[in-house]
Amino acid sequence: DIQMTQSPSTLSASVGDRVTITCRASQSISTWLAWYQQKPGKAPKLLIYDASSLESGVPSRFSGSGSGTEFTLTISSLQPDDFATYYCQQSRGTFGQGTKLEIK
Amino acid sequence: QVQLQESGPGLVKPSGTLSLTCTVSGGSISNYYWGWIRQPPGKGLEWIGFISYSGSTNYNPSLKSRVTISVTKSKNQFSLKLSSVTAADTAVYYCARDGAALDYWGQGTLVTVSS
Repeated sequence: DIQMTQSPSTLSASVGDRVTITCRASQSISTWLAWYQQKPGKAPKLLIYDASSLESGVPSRFSGSGSGTEFTLTISSLQPDDFATYYCQQSRGTFGQGTKLEIK
Repeated sequence: QVQLQESGPGLVKPSGTLSLTCTVSGGSISNYYWGWIRQPPGKGLEWIGFISYSGSTNYNPSLKSRVTISVTKSKNQFSLKLSSVTAADTAVYYCARDGAALDYWGQGTLVTVSS
């Protein structure tokens, strides 16, 4: 099984900050990685697929990078609507444990 | 606009079988993969498995012995069966379309395992 590990588990930041979340795979997954945003009581929302492709309608302040075993999700300037939990997922496979982005 | 809706019992007895159906509207079930994901209360997302439009499947190894996912093209539906359930299977269950990634999701349905 491929394991996905996110860090940090919790991140405190302020509006306007630039934040980065890391996701590591236990073995190479090329660029077969997606990022999701989830708010309480709601289904997850796709942000990034194929490691760096922005889903239609997602603000350009979100970006993804990486390949192989290490990936990052970056939010260039945090907006109030961005405080949520973020998950990475190996395509058609395991999710990371999640990163909760909190207001500092 | 593609929409997905989960349906099925909200309460299942321990050792029983959890059965859910996902109905797809606004698009054909053909030419895509379709997945099931669950989320125990207060915890993270767990991938359960997927099925292709042609019927090939792949399951989470930790659930593989208990899971069956099937598709009914004539009804534009796909289904999940999870056998021998315990309280640990209590979760919100989501169905989703798996294109380049999980791009369309159902709203989720809470299934509680309890006697």
